[in-house]
Amino acid sequence: EPEVTQTPSHQVTQMGQEVILRCVPISNHLYFYWYRQILGQKVEFLVSFYNNEISEKSEIFDDQFSVERPDGSNFTLKIRSTKLEDSAMYFCASRGGLSRGSSSYEQYFGPGTRLTVT
Amino acid sequence: AQRVTQPEKLLSVFKGAPVELKCNYSYSGSPELFWYVQYSRQRLQLLLRHISRESIKGFTADLNKGETSFHLKKPFAQEEDSAMYYCALLLLRGSTLGRLYFGRGTQLTVWP
Repeated sequence: EPEVTQTPSHQVTQMGQEVILRCVPISNHLYFYWYRQILGQKVEFLVSFYNNEISEKSEIFDDQFSVERPDGSNFTLKIRSTKLEDSAMYFCASRGGLSRGSSSYEQYFGPGTRLTVT
Repeated sequence: AQRVTQPEKLLSVFKGAPVELKCNYSYSGSPELFWYVQYSRQRLQLLLRHISRESIKGFTADLNKGETSFHLKKPFAQEEDSAMYYCALLLLRGSTLGRLYFGRGTQLTVWP
């Protein structure tokens, strides 16, 4: 069964550094998402992406964050200048297109990247 | 504003006992609700969605709009059910993509 993959599984970086988290969504999916989970807190939506554009972003997704689908298979989340409070598990998710009677809104999650900012 | 409440952070039952994980929601639109499960060191996986009204691994969940609840139930818990369970509400807000709004999760432990 196809799965969403994410790399790396764990990233340690120093405050102020840029990081890029990588995701490979399921190949025929059209919609892509990033969520994050700070330790001990809820899973929170960051951004959704379709047709090479951001569809929606949360208040967390400020100018430090950007997303890109550089080559038709990867979907990346970049944090330009990391802060201590960016330490979290970052989940990528994807879903297929809308179709009548199908699990049209089911989002498939990757295993996550644990980002530690020191 | 929307809200998803899972009142129990931790829930322990013995194998074979019934289990109910509570989820209450608040949403002005027409709710579409999901239960996701995360086994130890694994990814979030969809367990149930209310529109399909199916039973997966013996779990069921009924949407009760009067009580604004979507509780997850299983009549006989198994040790392999031990996991983190998240209730999630789909928010559409005019965007066809939808975003999931999660509760804080309930850690279920099933003792032998």
